[in-house]
Amino acid sequence: QVQLVQSGAEVKKPGSSVTVSCRTSGGTFDSYSISWVRQAPGQGLEWMGRIIPLLDMTDYAQSFQGRVTITADKSTSTAYMELSSLRSEDTAVYYCARLSSTTSGWRFDPWGQGTLVTVS
Amino acid sequence: QSMLTQPPSVSGAPGQRVTISCTGSSSNIGAGYDVHWYHQLPGTAPKLLIYANSNRPSGVPDRFSGSKSGTSASLAITGLQAEDEADYYCQSYDRSLSGSVFGGGTKLTVL
Repeated sequence: QVQLVQSGAEVKKPGSSVTVSCRTSGGTFDSYSISWVRQAPGQGLEWMGRIIPLLDMTDYAQSFQGRVTITADKSTSTAYMELSSLRSEDTAVYYCARLSSTTSGWRFDPWGQGTLVTVS
Repeated sequence: QSMLTQPPSVSGAPGQRVTISCTGSSSNIGAGYDVHWYHQLPGTAPKLLIYANSNRPSGVPDRFSGSKSGTSASLAITGLQAEDEADYYCQSYDRSLSGSVFGGGTKLTVL
């Protein structure tokens, strides 16, 4: 059973960058994609991007293009999400999730526990 | 701004049935992409509740059911229980965005 464990909470200053890690276990890292989804306080879920570790291929949501970089380390089965030029509106809980992709679309399961990033 | 539209809140008494709607467009649900539902308890990560429109992962009670028609989908919960109080999100793929879209979430209150 795949499990995703994320790094701990971060406090960052505006203009800086943050990197959140997502360590996976219980599956074959190369056989699936990892996505990042964020949730601002009291708000809904927002897809940020994904990586296919096998292909080292990434896709990003347009609203994050140029500011987000998702990478993967196959040797440690860990995915990373770096968000730069932080502003207060980036204060949110950031989740990683395994992405299952078929011709009928995408779904996310399971999810990491979430990482709170506070920009202040 | 969410690409999928959900009611902000629904409520029902224990034992009752509630439904949560999810309205999309011709670039996501209406294009034939599957709808998935997640529930989220306060302070916890979302969890897959219904996948591919109407399928329940192992362990999800059959009180939860999903359906899809045209550009919309809905989640039904029968025999409401206090533990069902949570936020519920629908999600699909959007071909114009080449990525995922979520509904804004619906807060279910069990009266």
